[in-house]
Amino acid sequence: DAGITQSPRYKITETGRQVTLMCHQTWSHSYMFWYRQDLGHGLRLIYYSAAADITDKGEVPDGYVVSRSKTENFPLTLESATRSQTSVYFCASSVTGGSGNTIYFGEGSWLTVV
Amino acid sequence: DAKTTQPPSMDCAEGRAANLPCNHSTISGNEYVYWYRQIHSQGPQYIIHGLKNNETNEMASLIITEDRKSSTLILPHATLRDTAVYYCIPRGINTDKLIFGTGTRLQVFP
Repeated sequence: DAGITQSPRYKITETGRQVTLMCHQTWSHSYMFWYRQDLGHGLRLIYYSAAADITDKGEVPDGYVVSRSKTENFPLTLESATRSQTSVYFCASSVTGGSGNTIYFGEGSWLTVV
Repeated sequence: DAKTTQPPSMDCAEGRAANLPCNHSTISGNEYVYWYRQIHSQGPQYIIHGLKNNETNEMASLIITEDRKSSTLILPHATLRDTAVYYCIPRGINTDKLIFGTGTRLQVFP
């Protein structure tokens, strides 16, 4: 299902560089989410957004910046990448909030910081 | 949101039913139980969710105990492609996000 697309899928960057991971969804979902998953661990929520221009912190927001100027896009920026941010990043979306609404995930962006 | 306890790993023979348990003894009355799975290197995939009643869809069945303190996800005829990590996630009625635990790694063998 190509409803959520993430780019780039694979990225290697150097410590201290700025990196932006893009997320685009074609469903006009109100809610969008960013999770990270470190090797061998579960997913942790970084930021989420209820609508354009509305964002909230998740469990691990430090070192990340998000914006949402358009409903369909939710970019995640690492302003100064660190090795600890090496991870797989998953974008997700849902029609709206609340537990009756299923959250759908993208295929992930693999980021390595050297 | 309630805490969950899932066995870290389980095995299942191909063609047999896979029964994955989840304990959520602190679940509140307005929390749904969601199940997702993550096949290696892929994004999490929604399977099923329920509140009180048992639920069934084309992928699986969800059995929730009467006291709602535990649930079981049933894959009726497991295939090799069902090998994945399965997450049981309580989610409050007004909760917008999913909080993942460590899940159960299901290995389906031939």
